Amino acid sequence: AQSVAQPEDQVNVAEGNPLTVKCTYSVSGNPYLFWYVQYPNRGLQFLLKYITGDNLVKGSYGFEAEFNKSQTSFHLKKPSALVSDSALYFCAVREGWSSYKLIFGSGTRLLVRP
Amino acid sequence: NAGVTQTPKFRVLKTGQSMTLLCAQDMNHEYMYWYRQDPGMGLRLIHYSVGEGTTAKGEVPDGYNVSRLKKQNFLLGLESAAPSQTSVYFCASSYSEGERNGYTFGSGTRLTVV
Repeated sequence: AQSVAQPEDQVNVAEGNPLTVKCTYSVSGNPYLFWYVQYPNRGLQFLLKYITGDNLVKGSYGFEAEFNKSQTSFHLKKPSALVSDSALYFCAVREGWSSYKLIFGSGTRLLVRP
Repeated sequence: NAGVTQTPKFRVLKTGQSMTLLCAQDMNHEYMYWYRQDPGMGLRLIHYSVGEGTTAKGEVPDGYNVSRLKKQNFLLGLESAAPSQTSVYFCASSYSEGERNGYTFGSGTRLTVV
């Protein structure tokens, strides 16, 4: 069965420092991986996706994610954090092109302090 | 602006009461989904629809019913609300089963069952 794990409930980082939010996945076929961000009292917003190709994926708001097949990971990164990046981040996986079921991780709260 | 609209945004129900949550999208998306979000558990799929007139069960369908009479609307019903259904409910839609940009989410409905 598909699953996604986000091992950290919260990540704290100082503004201007690099940030990483971790995600590991488990699927039997080719993974299609996504990151979403949720701001308070809002729905989830798409950040970036990995379907195929280059292992480093660039997305919105300066975020990027690195797909590592051997470690089954898809960590979200940003070189320089902003206070406005503080939000709840979700990793999600879809098993294969024809599956419409998106499985979400439990979420990681990112807190960027000034 | 185009997107997914959920009504109502907040609701308090007494145990045993019924209610319907409405989701409307104006993007001509084929696929629509209902998720619930609970602390530490991420988003869990309740029901989904792959087109007008079709519905299917997701991961946690018990206690809920859905209908998709019109392509743009996806209704989630609670026939007899229970405190365990206290949650934030999100509707989402996508253009196709292979939607490369993931889903578009509504802003959520916060439901409390007392």
